[in-house]
Amino acid sequence: QQQVKQSPQSLIVQKGGISIINCAYENTAFDYFPWYQQFPGKGPALLIAIRPDVSEKKEGRFTISFNKSAKQFSLHIMDSQPGDSATYFCAAKSFFGNEKLTFGTGTRLTIIP
Amino acid sequence: DTGVSQDPRHKITKRGQNVTFRCDPISEHNRLYWYRQTLGQGPEFLTYFQNEAQLEKSRLLSDRFSAERPKGSFSTLEIQRTEQGDSAMYLCASGGQINEQFFGPGTRLTVL
Repeated sequence: QQQVKQSPQSLIVQKGGISIINCAYENTAFDYFPWYQQFPGKGPALLIAIRPDVSEKKEGRFTISFNKSAKQFSLHIMDSQPGDSATYFCAAKSFFGNEKLTFGTGTRLTIIP
Repeated sequence: DTGVSQDPRHKITKRGQNVTFRCDPISEHNRLYWYRQTLGQGPEFLTYFQNEAQLEKSRLLSDRFSAERPKGSFSTLEIQRTEQGDSAMYLCASGGQINEQFFGPGTRLTVL
């Protein structure tokens, strides 16, 4: 059972544009939602994370938007750069003391000049 | 570099052999996680330690898999009688402030 659904599977954005990746979850016990960036052959790197008590969090060019009623959250990358080309994963963690992160299936982002 | 190290970075083995991987987390972190990632997929949780205690295990962790964290510092993940389906990236994560998990570079296992 896939508890975190991520879309699109791949995304091509022009340099300077806005990249938007979406995730939806089913488990209402989830209360922590991080985004990870992964380059080929490397481990995932924590980018930014949000709790459901806020609707938006911004760190530099990266923004998470969170819609608790719709059980959806998204990553926005402003002024996208070729160096942002990577695979992005959303994830979620439950507050029931369960420590595991449940990941989405990933979005391969390509920024073209 | 997150400060989490894993060794080896790559391992090629023949089916039926045993392999062991090591993870050194960030020194002040008491939480340590193991995940497995196959090509084109997100990481899947395997197990979790708080200090030396193994507190959670996934159903993915068959009886051929065993993990230890003997002194609450580094951890090892052993796979016995490897199968081709075990080929994957094995990731270790270190737990910082509440909820945060920082991943190491991973160990790529290829079972021939």
